[in-house]
Amino acid sequence: KAGVTQTPRYLIKTRGQQVTLSCSPISGHRSVSWYQQTPGQGLQFLFEYFSETQRNKGNFPGRFSGRQFSNSRSEMNVSTLELGDSALYLCASSLAGIGTEAFFGQGTRLTVV
Amino acid sequence: GQQLNQSPQSMFIQEGEDVSMNCTSSSIFNTWLWYKQDPGEGPVLLIALYKAGELTSNGRLTAQFGITRKDSFLNISASIPSDVGIYFCAGQRGGSNYKLTFGKGTLLTVNP
Repeated sequence: KAGVTQTPRYLIKTRGQQVTLSCSPISGHRSVSWYQQTPGQGLQFLFEYFSETQRNKGNFPGRFSGRQFSNSRSEMNVSTLELGDSALYLCASSLAGIGTEAFFGQGTRLTVV
Repeated sequence: GQQLNQSPQSMFIQEGEDVSMNCTSSSIFNTWLWYKQDPGEGPVLLIALYKAGELTSNGRLTAQFGITRKDSFLNISASIPSDVGIYFCAGQRGGSNYKLTFGKGTLLTVNP
């Protein structure tokens, strides 16, 4: 069974630009969550999607948004990039999101210069 | 955001030794998960716990879901060099709350 696939693995963007990250969950998994990982803050929850609906959102500004498609693939978008957005962005997939195992992708390393 | 209290922050042990790390919270969680992360990679799921008091093993790893539902521990027996990495605990409240709350991690170094 293929794991969670995130693309691209690495990105370098300039302040003020926008970026879109992609996540393909494990086949059959309908819940996709996004996390930001930084050395200072650790792993922080961004949002969770199930069947194309956002069910939970973390405490991030509106510049961070996401969506999920009918095939469960998900994208997250960050607009007006700031230096502090530099982080490892991780996607996790699970069958239902609650009380089930969550599997992570390798992440996208975003560097904002 | 809120995080779990994970300890110790780091450990330096000799190959063959046993290791123990734990996570505590002031809030109840209905699911506890333990992950290992290598540099530049995503976290890999080690053990999932769903019931208070549950004790689950995965090879040399054993984890327990605390009876109060506010804590969990992970033991690694007979450590080997490839156990090196950062171990994270994560809790999920349940109900309509789907997010995972993570500890800050335990950095494990194993001296061969």
